Amino acid sequence: GDSVTQMEGPVTLSEEAFLTINCTYTATGYPSLFWYVQYPGEGLQLLLKATKADDKGSNKGFEATYRKETTSFHLEKGSVQVSDSAVYFCALSHGSSNTGKLIFGQGTTLQVKP
Amino acid sequence: EPEVTQTPSHQVTQMGQEVILRCVPISNHLYFYWYRQILGQKVEFLVSFYNNEISEKSEIFDDQFSVERPDGSNFTLKIRSTKLEDSAMYFCASSPLGGRSHEQYFGPGTRLTVT
Repeated sequence: GDSVTQMEGPVTLSEEAFLTINCTYTATGYPSLFWYVQYPGEGLQLLLKATKADDKGSNKGFEATYRKETTSFHLEKGSVQVSDSAVYFCALSHGSSNTGKLIFGQGTTLQVKP
Repeated sequence: EPEVTQTPSHQVTQMGQEVILRCVPISNHLYFYWYRQILGQKVEFLVSFYNNEISEKSEIFDDQFSVERPDGSNFTLKIRSTKLEDSAMYFCASSPLGGRSHEQYFGPGTRLTVT
């Protein structure tokens, strides 16, 4: 079945460091891909998405490119801030699901130190 | 900005008891969802709801679970007879449209502890 795999956390970085969180997926057909972020005490919020191959999603300095050839959707940011500390979830939504149910990775905790 | 709300934030119950988790989706949304996350595990889809009926459910969503939209604003998840393994964070979400490309808006979650 469909699945999403993320790199294990926690990831600990210093402020202004470069961030990469790896995400790969397994799915038939052409899923949409998402990154959600969860700040402490809050619900999951959409960070960015891409709905077809080679699309690049971007928001708040984060970006990810839908790579069909490597079935990947890695999250990157050039310079992280302490306020980026959160749990990041990669997810897919399969085209065969009319309701758009999301299949999540296990989440990666990012800690940014000043 | 509209948001999804969930109550309670934490529910403690004894094994075998019934619990009802409540959600208020964003008012003009049409699709509603429940997900859960057992500690240390992935967020898992439970059920989706559209037009007053279940549109999709996972294998986890067995006869012990039910959902309802009783009054046009609340969306509830009922677990009839809780088990220890039902202990998890339960997230409600809503979306203006279904389909694979539309954003889902999540509530902050209800932490359910079954003792």
